[in-house]
Amino acid sequence: SQQGEEDPQALSIQEGENATMNCSYKTSINNLQWYRQNSGRGLVHLILIRSNEREKHSGRLRVTLDTSKKSSSLLITASRAADTASYFCATDASNFGNEKLTFGTGTRLTIIP
Amino acid sequence: DAGVIQSPRHEVTEMGQEVTLRCKPISGHNSLFWYRQTMMRGLELLIYFNNNVPIDDSGMPEDRFSAKMPNASFSTLKIQPSEPRDSAVYFCASRFSGRTYNEQFFGPGTRLTVL
Repeated sequence: SQQGEEDPQALSIQEGENATMNCSYKTSINNLQWYRQNSGRGLVHLILIRSNEREKHSGRLRVTLDTSKKSSSLLITASRAADTASYFCATDASNFGNEKLTFGTGTRLTIIP
Repeated sequence: DAGVIQSPRHEVTEMGQEVTLRCKPISGHNSLFWYRQTMMRGLELLIYFNNNVPIDDSGMPEDRFSAKMPNASFSTLKIQPSEPRDSAVYFCASRFSGRTYNEQFFGPGTRLTVL
């Protein structure tokens, strides 16, 4: 099964509203990353949060990490139509952040203009 | 920087034919990954290389799949013989190993259809 499981699987909101997506994982991690995938495109890295961090911001993105609950959330504030995409969390469980990422199942976000 | 380059972008073939997918990683990156994405199974890691050496191929579905990285700027994923269940989007990604974090850069993907 996937290391990361996103929740919800699909989310539709009005433009301007905030969107929150959650990710749960099963094993200890070194860091957790969020990626975006527009339809028909490859994944694009959004943000990385290390296991010793609890919150991180990047523009309209805010990521939280709770290692005790093995969960993370991605908040997109003031959503725009261009934010319509699938969002994936990916976990790195290696001790030295070597190579392997395990991707979740993704949340499909639709922003309604 | 041109990013990760994959070719072809689309491939339609008949069952039993050999398929070769190609990837050129970002210059200077020394780790390369092959993924497969389907609606049913999501995004799966097939194999990855560090410094042109295969490190983990546990995700390769069966012997029909093989991957090579003859040099730092080129990799291939071959399926022989192809089957309809191999239909998927295949992504190549690369990163620079040695940094403290592990961001991967993805190519645009190859959409494979096996009839």
